[in-house]
Amino acid sequence: EAGVTQFPSHSVIEKGQTVTLRCDPISGHDNLYWYRRVMGKEIKFLLHFVKESKQDESGMPNNRFLAERTGGTYSTLKVQPAELEDSGVYFCASSLQMGQQQFFGPGTRLTVL
Amino acid sequence: GQNIDQPTEMTATEGAIVQINCTYQTSGFNGLFWYQQHAGEAPTFLSYNVLDGLEEKGRFSSFLSRSKGYSYLLLKELQMKDSASYLCAVRSSNDYKLSFGAGTTVTVRA
Repeated sequence: EAGVTQFPSHSVIEKGQTVTLRCDPISGHDNLYWYRRVMGKEIKFLLHFVKESKQDESGMPNNRFLAERTGGTYSTLKVQPAELEDSGVYFCASSLQMGQQQFFGPGTRLTVL
Repeated sequence: GQNIDQPTEMTATEGAIVQINCTYQTSGFNGLFWYQQHAGEAPTFLSYNVLDGLEEKGRFSSFLSRSKGYSYLLLKELQMKDSASYLCAVRSSNDYKLSFGAGTTVTVRA
């Protein structure tokens, strides 16, 4: 069974540009989570989807971040416009049901210059 | 909110035992997880504690004391491949998001 996959693995963009990160959860997992780790800090929660609905988006830093999960399968996280402080590693995780083990993807390393 | 502390780095010798401590202060508690993460890879699940006591899984064991807000991960018979970052994460009782510590980098030396 394939694990959680994320694309791209690395992205380098300039300040002010737009970047879209993609996450494909494990097939059948209704719950999808986005986290990020900025340099030197801990991994922090961004938001949680249950199918196509946003269950909790309390961790989204500001309105430059937009997450979608149309159709309840893969999810995208768009940053527009990107700022220097957005640099970090963005992780996606999925779980079959809420409260069950979350399986993580390898992350997308975003560098904003 | 959550406040989770764990040591930044630990070094040990191949074949030895290392104990990674994690203390937490939370507004609600619904389980503590340990993840292993090799550089550039996904965090992978190691253990889960929700009740007090010791959970053993092969060379890895995890302990929890809810009254003390304390957990540890014990790695026995260390191997070179155990060199990695170990993440302590607490799940809130109000929702299901994980709050992570900054991670402990373990280096195993021959």
